[in-house]
Amino acid sequence: AQSVSQHNHHVILSEAASLELGCNYSYGGTVNLFWYVQYPGQHLQLLLKYFSGDPLVKGIKGFEAEFIKSKFSFNLRKPSVQWSDTAEYFCAVNLKAAGNKLTFGGGTRVLVKP
Amino acid sequence: DTEVTQTPKHLVMGMTNKKSLKCEQHMGHRAMYWYKQKAKKPPELMFVYSYEKLSINESVPSRFSPECPNSSLLNLHLHALQPEDSALYLCASSQGPLRDTGTNTEAFFGQGTRLTVV
Repeated sequence: AQSVSQHNHHVILSEAASLELGCNYSYGGTVNLFWYVQYPGQHLQLLLKYFSGDPLVKGIKGFEAEFIKSKFSFNLRKPSVQWSDTAEYFCAVNLKAAGNKLTFGGGTRVLVKP
Repeated sequence: DTEVTQTPKHLVMGMTNKKSLKCEQHMGHRAMYWYKQKAKKPPELMFVYSYEKLSINESVPSRFSPECPNSSLLNLHLHALQPEDSALYLCASSQGPLRDTGTNTEAFFGQGTRLTVV
């Protein structure tokens, strides 16, 4: 079965610090990769996605992620965080062989201190 | 319109009640999903409908019964739930199954129904 691992459960940063959240998935087939964000009290929103092509993808709000196929990884980065980036971040994988089954990682709760 | 609308936003029900959660999208998406999210946990897939047919059931107890009346609507019928079923229930939709569309399976999520079973 496919699985998605996020390395950090909680991250605490100060404003202007850089952020990197790790994500690894377990399956070697064709995958679509996503990062979603859930701000407090709000619904899941898509930050960015990778389907094919350039492995470095840019998303909204200054986020980017790099797909490294050899490492089965899709890490999320932001050079300089703001207090408003406080949220929970979920990596998700859609495995082609499983049809339309979107599997989420455990999530990383990010707290940005002003 | 890129919205997935869920009603109600909040629901409190007794263990003997029957209730339904509703989800609607008008993006022409042909895949719709139900997820369950407990506090501080990731969403867990429950059901997938593809072209209005149930394609995935993640071994969900029969007290949860999904229904897809048409391509825009998805219901989740609830009966004889337990307190541990209390959670945020999320509906999502996407253009279609990866094997059909080839690429775009971005899922759009609703705001969820927060269910409390008493």
